[in-house]
Amino acid sequence: RKEVEQDPGPFNVPEGATVAFNCTYSNSASQSFFWYRQDCRKEPKLLMSVYSSGNEDGRFTAQLNRASQYISLLIRDSKLSDSATYLCVVNPGTASKLTFGTGTRLQVTL
Amino acid sequence: DAGVIQSPRHEVTEMGQEVTLRCKPISGHDYLFWYRQTMMRGLELLIYFNNNVPIDDSGMPEDRFSAKMPNASFSTLKIQPSEPRDSAVYFCASTLGLRMGYTFGSGTRLTVV
Repeated sequence: RKEVEQDPGPFNVPEGATVAFNCTYSNSASQSFFWYRQDCRKEPKLLMSVYSSGNEDGRFTAQLNRASQYISLLIRDSKLSDSATYLCVVNPGTASKLTFGTGTRLQVTL
Repeated sequence: DAGVIQSPRHEVTEMGQEVTLRCKPISGHDYLFWYRQTMMRGLELLIYFNNNVPIDDSGMPEDRFSAKMPNASFSTLKIQPSEPRDSAVYFCASTLGLRMGYTFGSGTRLTVV
């Protein structure tokens, strides 16, 4: 089983739609979690950290489910500019490097 | 802060030539990472340093690849000799401690012909 698994997509959604991505991780001792966004031919950029209580940043909501070992990202009112690849990132432990998923591609259309 | 700075942005070289990629991490960050990204394999960690010391180089594909960090503000990734299969985007990233997210540089797009 991969350490971090994501559905590669693509998810094709119309502008204004709500879309959600899930990501599962294998190490139950994982400490911290992040969502990164990567635009075509650009570097990955930190979108948001994922906290145990869940957190929201504008149209974006991240959730963590430790029991089922998955994190999710919800995007409301999708914009064309949200089109990108979203990378799920997990820190397996306090002294460990981050593990990156392969990404989920989102395409928002008119 | 200028962020993580990589150079060159693009590099086209002939097979067999030596290639050197450069990275300046964010000042104060104590970890530096070198990644390679291709369509086929996604983002792969090659090597990372803590306080200028290499910690894990298990991702370095073979002896043709080497990395150094002579001081806290500079690192290089060298490929000698280069091969067409080394064509990829190479990212450098840095962070303070291992609990935080990483900041990536803009990458070097390497093409070996």
